[in-house]
Amino acid sequence: EPEVTQTPSHQVTQMGQEVILRCVPISNHLYFYWYRQILGQKVEFLVSFYNNEISEKSEIFDDQFSVERPDGSNFTLKIRSTKLEDSAMYFCASSASGGVVFDTGELFFGEGSRLTVL
Amino acid sequence: AQTVTQSQPEMSVQEAETVTLSCTYDTSENNYYLFWYKQPPSRQMILVIRQEAYKQQNATENRFSVNFQKAAKSFSLKISDSQLGDTAMYFCAFMKHSYGGSQGNLIFGKGTKLSVKP
Repeated sequence: EPEVTQTPSHQVTQMGQEVILRCVPISNHLYFYWYRQILGQKVEFLVSFYNNEISEKSEIFDDQFSVERPDGSNFTLKIRSTKLEDSAMYFCASSASGGVVFDTGELFFGEGSRLTVL
Repeated sequence: AQTVTQSQPEMSVQEAETVTLSCTYDTSENNYYLFWYKQPPSRQMILVIRQEAYKQQNATENRFSVNFQKAAKSFSLKISDSQLGDTAMYFCAFMKHSYGGSQGNLIFGKGTKLSVKP
């Protein structure tokens, strides 16, 4: 069964360093998302991406964050200068359509990348 | 702003018995969707069941069913004939409807950790 894959599974970095989290969405999907979960807190929406541009982003997704689909298969989340509070599990998701009403709008999630900022 | 509350951080149930997980939400929207996601240990979040707010009939998927009370803003999940494989974190989530697709902006609860005991 096709699935969303994320790398790395765990990354430890120093505060101020740049981090890139990678995701390979399901191959025929067109909509891509990043979510994060700080330990003990809720899973939070960061950004959605369609047709090579951001379609929606949350207040969390500030200028330190960027997303890219560099080669038609990967979908990356970059954090330019990490802060301690960026430590979290980051989940990538993809869907075949942006419409939730139809079955193809279901979001498929990856296993997550745990980021630890020291 | 929408919020989703899961008041049971942990629950346990004996194999073959029935368990109900609670979820309440707050919104001023009239058109929206509600979801239950399951996240087994070290695995991806997967969609268990979905409910469209305009539908009065409660959604059912095999052993999983919901009790959707729109006026009370309540959306509980019932798991019948619990199996060991149901052991997982369960997340309740809300998404408001928007024309042109819902953009994947899911608002999650904190989750309920369910343990099914043999």
